[in-house]
Amino acid sequence: NAGVTQTPKFQVLKTGQSMTLQCAQDMNHEYMSWYRQDPGMGLRLIHYSVGAGITDQGEVPNGYNVSRSTTEDFPLRLLSAAPSQTSVYFCASRRTGVGQETQYFGPGTRLLVL
Amino acid sequence: AQKITQTQPGMFVQEKEAVTLDCTYDTSDQSYGLFWYKQPSSGEMIFLIYQGSYDEQNATEGRYSLNFQKARKSANLVISASQLGDSAMYFCAMRLHGGGFQKLVFGTGTRLLVSP
Repeated sequence: NAGVTQTPKFQVLKTGQSMTLQCAQDMNHEYMSWYRQDPGMGLRLIHYSVGAGITDQGEVPNGYNVSRSTTEDFPLRLLSAAPSQTSVYFCASRRTGVGQETQYFGPGTRLLVL
Repeated sequence: AQKITQTQPGMFVQEKEAVTLDCTYDTSDQSYGLFWYKQPSSGEMIFLIYQGSYDEQNATEGRYSLNFQKARKSANLVISASQLGDSAMYFCAMRLHGGGFQKLVFGTGTRLLVSP
């Protein structure tokens, strides 16, 4: 299993540009989520999904869109990038259900918006 | 308010010594989970240990143990026999329920430096 994969690893954008951060997992996990990590802060939840076709907002959803057309993929879209979106983005997945506590994180995407 | 607090921005320990990283949490939920993650300089988030709110015994995973004191709302991570490779950021996190989903709320982290 590859686990949780994210592409790209690094990206530089200009203000106003759009892009999609890719996330995929091959563990058949129902639950997937996107977090951002800023200096001096822990990770904050952006969006999450409990299964294909079901998504919802986390703590800091503004400026981001998601969709979940398959169990494996959960892309994060920035429609019009802003410097405040400069951050490291982590995708995570886990099984739902009692006892399925471990959340697996991808390696992260480092985004710089100029 | 549901919150995780890590009051130690940085900790130093000598190799082979034990170190305790502090974590306190605030929630009114009766059912919750507490996690510790390690983030080395390479950036990935590595799961270390989990403690459920109803677990009576402290969780242990190799050199890691979680000192869970429910009445004090603390979930400190103890690393025994520190190794140079333990130098990293450590995050405490709490699993919360809400609206049929679960999310993790993270603390701001503690940077651990292990010296030879």
